[in-house]
Amino acid sequence: GAVVSQHPSRVICKSGTSVKIECRSLDFQATTMFWYRQFPKQSLMLMATSNEGSKATYEQGVEKDKFLINHASLTLSTLTVTSAHPEDSSFYICSARKQGKAAGELFFGEGSRLTVL
Amino acid sequence: AQKITQTQPGMFVQEKEAVTLDCTYDTSDQSYGLFWYKQPSSGEMIFLIYQGSYDEQNATEGRYSLNFQKARKSANLVISASQLGDSAMYFCAMREGYNQGGKLIFGQGTELSVKP
Repeated sequence: GAVVSQHPSRVICKSGTSVKIECRSLDFQATTMFWYRQFPKQSLMLMATSNEGSKATYEQGVEKDKFLINHASLTLSTLTVTSAHPEDSSFYICSARKQGKAAGELFFGEGSRLTVL
Repeated sequence: AQKITQTQPGMFVQEKEAVTLDCTYDTSDQSYGLFWYKQPSSGEMIFLIYQGSYDEQNATEGRYSLNFQKARKSANLVISASQLGDSAMYFCAMREGYNQGGKLIFGQGTELSVKP
């Protein structure tokens, strides 16, 4: 099946620094990718929709300048958490859309756990 | 308003028994899709089963089946013959409309624990 890879899987950074998380579709082209955020024992909250070659669409309440999304190619989307603070510590998961059967459209990365000290 | 509701924060089941995880949804769209995902402690999201709003038959995938009751707007997941490896978080999700691509709305999740 289709594979989506995220990197890094874990990152620890100091408060005030920026962190970049990559999401790659390894064996298919993804015109659309989605970024989710998940706190421990909670649901996945959609942050933004990343479209190749255009600006991301952010969900209500998500700060665009805080969470920069770039989808420069059909296989790569990046999420940059700028000036990270401890409250940004979370599990970030991307998913990529593949054309085809509805059930097979969406594939998730392994997730990236961010800890801001 | 919550669009996807999972009312069971935690569930226990004896190994080899069946278990039903509840999910109700709210949408005014005629075309939508319902998904169930499993999330083990490692964090990866594992696709289990899909039900389209126009599908007349309940979806089944191996030990997983989806009890789709459209009038009640419920899409419960049934796991038969539970195994220890089934212990995980389970999320119900919905995609509204035909052209919404992969944008999913997730429920709160149910933590399933399988007892030996």
